Amino acid sequence: AQTVTQSQPEMSVQEAETVTLSCTYDTSESDYYLFWYKQPPSRQMILVIRQEAYKQQNATENRFSVNFQKAAKSFSLKISDSQLGDAAMYFCAYRAGTYKYIFGTGTRLKVLA
Amino acid sequence: GAVVSQHPSWVICKSGTSVKIECRSLDFQATTMFWYRQFPKQSLMLMATSNEGSKATYEQGVEKDKFLINHASLTLSTLTVTSAHPEDSSFYICSARDLQGADTQYFGPGTRLTVL
Repeated sequence: AQTVTQSQPEMSVQEAETVTLSCTYDTSESDYYLFWYKQPPSRQMILVIRQEAYKQQNATENRFSVNFQKAAKSFSLKISDSQLGDAAMYFCAYRAGTYKYIFGTGTRLKVLA
Repeated sequence: GAVVSQHPSWVICKSGTSVKIECRSLDFQATTMFWYRQFPKQSLMLMATSNEGSKATYEQGVEKDKFLINHASLTLSTLTVTSAHPEDSSFYICSARDLQGADTQYFGPGTRLTVL
């Protein structure tokens, strides 16, 4: 069965600094998608970034980038120039052909002014 | 981006009553919608996959007779919690799969259910 593991329950970063959130997953599939979602206090899930497993190039969205290591089954999120508005729960998610998402347990990110 | 709405955003009900939660895709058609449950400070757990015009597929351990799902149109799925009990109190989130937009799922804002 597929699993997603986020080993950091909580992380802190100074404003304007860079932070990396870790995610590992387990799957026997070769074709799948990986996502990072942000859940602020409003509880609305917001897509931060997505990565297709067949693409070797790491996805980038403005200040957000990923380090996708397929062989190691690792998918970390790097947030550069952290802002106060980045404070939230971050969930790593996996999706294969059934389109069901499997979420990690989440990492709470605190941004310190 | 695509918008998914949920109604109501929060509801309080008495034990033993039924509660219906609506999930709508506002600007796209969704043949597939998903229902999640999220307990405080925990992750999202998939309850069921809702397919338009057919029966929902429930995850292991989810009582289909307690959590009734109907997906009657391409923009609406409903989750009815029947004979609700305090242990059903939770945050319920739906998502809709947008086939046109890079096959991404978009999430609703969630519904907080409190059963007294």
